[in-house]
Amino acid sequence: NAGVTQTPKFQVLKTGQSMTLQCAQDMNHEYMSWYRQDPGMGLRLIHYSVGAGITDQGEVPNGYNVSRSTTEDFPLRLLSAAPSQTSVYFCASSSSLAGGYYNEQFFGPGTRLTVL
Amino acid sequence: DAKTTQPPSMDCAEGRAANLPCNHSTISGNEYVYWYRQIHSQGPQYIIHGLKNNETNEMASLIITEDRKSSTLILPHATLRDTAVYYCITAGSNYKLTFGKGTLLTVNP
Repeated sequence: NAGVTQTPKFQVLKTGQSMTLQCAQDMNHEYMSWYRQDPGMGLRLIHYSVGAGITDQGEVPNGYNVSRSTTEDFPLRLLSAAPSQTSVYFCASSSSLAGGYYNEQFFGPGTRLTVL
Repeated sequence: DAKTTQPPSMDCAEGRAANLPCNHSTISGNEYVYWYRQIHSQGPQYIIHGLKNNETNEMASLIITEDRKSSTLILPHATLRDTAVYYCITAGSNYKLTFGKGTLLTVNP
């Protein structure tokens, strides 16, 4: 298993540009999520999905869109990049346990985004 | 989700046990305690989780107090590769993890 993969690893954008960060997992996990991590800070949840066709907002959703058309993929779209979105983006996935609790989350290696 | 409080940094000698504390005084009855770590700028790595009872796996042990208001992560024989930021997280069934700033554990030779 490749686990959770993210592309690209690095990206530089100009203000106003749009782009999509890709995330894929091959573990058949129901749950997937996107976090951002700013320097010296913990991770903050952007969006998450509990299954194909189901997404919801996390703590910092503004400026980002997501969709979940398949179990494997969960892309994150930046609609109009701003310098405040300069960050490291992590994707994660997990399976659910009985009773709705989720199991350990597996994180990808991250995408380092700079917006000029 | 309940909030957690962790010391910002700790040191440990290589080969000794590292005991990382976490306060979660407002934890709800259905919330688990999770521990993750982040080595350098890699993606976080799951370590262990528990609800009420103490737990042990190949990486660490988790000791949760009887009132569930605090817990301790124990790395029994710390190595240099255990130097990382350790996050204590409490979460219920809403699929969300809330990361604080964690504890930077530095293992010294």
